[in-house]
Amino acid sequence: GAVVSQHPSRVICKSGTSVKIECRSLDFQATTMFWYRQFPKQSLMLMATSNEGSKATYEQGVEKDKFLINHASLTLSTLTVTSAHPEDSSFYICSAEPQGNYGYTFGSGTRLTVV
Amino acid sequence: DAKTTQPPSMDCAEGRAANLPCNHSTISGNEYVYWYRQIHSQGPQYIIHGLKNNETNEMASLIITEDRKSSTLILPHATLRDTAVYYCIVRVGGGPSSARQLTFGSGTQLTVLP
Repeated sequence: GAVVSQHPSRVICKSGTSVKIECRSLDFQATTMFWYRQFPKQSLMLMATSNEGSKATYEQGVEKDKFLINHASLTLSTLTVTSAHPEDSSFYICSAEPQGNYGYTFGSGTRLTVV
Repeated sequence: DAKTTQPPSMDCAEGRAANLPCNHSTISGNEYVYWYRQIHSQGPQYIIHGLKNNETNEMASLIITEDRKSSTLILPHATLRDTAVYYCIVRVGGGPSSARQLTFGSGTQLTVLP
């Protein structure tokens, strides 16, 4: 079946540093990928839509200069959290929809802790 | 996309059927009903989806009322591993060119009890 691989699964970084999260579609091509954020005991909130070869589309309230998204190929999208602060600590999840399949596939998520 | 309403929590005995309801009274004719679940600290997992006919796969059954204003996800023989948050999402059908995101509500926390 369609698989989306997300790395790292956990990361701890110091405040002020940057962290890159990778999302790969392993057995299908994805022109569009989605990035979600989930705080404890809350639902998933869409952050941005990643488009291969073009700029990402950010949801209202999400700082595009802080959350840099690059979708340079049909199988890879990256999310970089720049100048991380403790309030950026969250669970970040990516997803994509395989062609011909109407069910979105999600990565396993990245637990980011900023100390 | 139409909004959905789900109970915040439900319990189910292990081995029994779990029936999870979802109301989507404002659903449009071209919107599908999707079900996903999220086990703690993991990414969501696709379960099933349907338009107007009942659907069944190896994981679950989806029953959609004739007026399409509500649906029920059925896990026929719940196990402890089915403990998760279950999300009912209504969305225009997918496919390669749709590129439409999923909007998650608060879902139902299903706890399967031994």
